[in-house]
Amino acid sequence: GNSVTQMEGPVTLSEEAFLTINCTYTATGYPSLFWYVQYPGEGLQLLLKATKADDKGSNKGFEATYRKETTSFHLEKGSVQVSDSAVYFCALKGAGNNRKLIWGLGTSLAVNP
Amino acid sequence: ETGVTQSPTHLIKTRGQQVTLRCSSQSGHNTVSWYQQALGQGPQFIFQYYREEENGRGNFPPRFSGLQFPNYSSELNVNALELDDSALYLCASSIPGTKDEQFFGPGTRLTVL
Repeated sequence: GNSVTQMEGPVTLSEEAFLTINCTYTATGYPSLFWYVQYPGEGLQLLLKATKADDKGSNKGFEATYRKETTSFHLEKGSVQVSDSAVYFCALKGAGNNRKLIWGLGTSLAVNP
Repeated sequence: ETGVTQSPTHLIKTRGQQVTLRCSSQSGHNTVSWYQQALGQGPQFIFQYYREEENGRGNFPPRFSGLQFPNYSSELNVNALELDDSALYLCASSIPGTKDEQFFGPGTRLTVL
């Protein structure tokens, strides 16, 4: 079945450092891929998405490229801020009408000033 | 435009009791999905409702049941509560054809003692 494997945390960085959070997936066909963010005490928010191979999703300085050949969707940001401290989830939706999302375990990011 | 809302925010129950959680979907969204998020884990898909019919179910026992109303709001019912049911329960709404984007509510934190 479909699955998502996400880099384990926690990740601790200094402000303005470069961020990479790895995500790989297993799926049949061509899934849609997502990164969601969960700030402390809040619900999940969609950060970015990509629906086909080689698409790049971007938002708030974060980027991720859908790589079919390596089945990956790594999240990157060139310069993190303290306000980026949150838990980041990689997720996929398989082909078909069922809109359920398959999730990674989440990666906690703490950015220190 | 009103976002996804959930009630109650927090709930404490004891083993064997029953609980009903409620979700109001974002305006115009006819699909509602429910997820269980245990502490430190990614969300797990419980089930989805589309136009008042169940449209997919995850690996949860029958004591987890749901309902969707004509106004597309939804309920999640859990009977015979167990300690392991303690989690954050998330509701997400979406519209078919919007490239799979789901909008999440803030969740209901259920504690079973």
